[in-house]
Amino acid sequence: SQKIEQNSEALNIQEGKTATLTCNYTNYSPAYLQWYRQDPGRGPVFLLLIRENEKEKRKERLKVTFDTTLKQSLFHITASQPADSATYLCARVSANDMRFGAGTRLTVKP
Amino acid sequence: GAGVSQSPSNKVTEKGKDVELRCDPISGHTALYWYRQSLGQGLEFLIYFQGNSAPDKSGLPSDRFSAERTGGSVSTLTIQRTQQEDSAVYLCASRYQQGTVGSPLHFGNGTRLTVT
Repeated sequence: SQKIEQNSEALNIQEGKTATLTCNYTNYSPAYLQWYRQDPGRGPVFLLLIRENEKEKRKERLKVTFDTTLKQSLFHITASQPADSATYLCARVSANDMRFGAGTRLTVKP
Repeated sequence: GAGVSQSPSNKVTEKGKDVELRCDPISGHTALYWYRQSLGQGLEFLIYFQGNSAPDKSGLPSDRFSAERTGGSVSTLTIQRTQQEDSAVYLCASRYQQGTVGSPLHFGNGTRLTVT
């Protein structure tokens, strides 16, 4: 079956360090991957999209990579801040379909 | 403009009762999704509407769950004869999808359903 998996349930890092979150997919090749942020009690909010023919996409302190050989996307937050603490979700995108990973709960400690 | 609106924000119901959850998508968004999120879990796909096409109901967990979308806008998710395992946050999302596969989802803040 087609799966999208986020390896770490939780990640704790120190303020100022780079957070790296992993998203793996199996048994299919998505045309796109999207990353979302979810705060407690709120719906997810879109952050970045990366296409299969793009190796890297950046937005301010955020960077996403897409490795179709490894079937993996990495999501980086550089110079992390306590305000970056949230759950981050990756999603595979096809014409009709949006399926999400279970999310990684990131905690940035001051 | 307004975002995706869901009501009620919280619902407590007794086991066996029926509940209706409402979603008002962003105006002009052709695609509408329902997801379920249990405590500490990821988003479980339930159902997808796109324009006038037949909905993709492949994620509905049982025949107690149904959804409709009237006039291509407002959607209602109905759970009949609720069970305790139905307790979760039900999230609705919409997106503009006209030849744009990668357009992002816009989520509401969900309805927290508690079945006692």
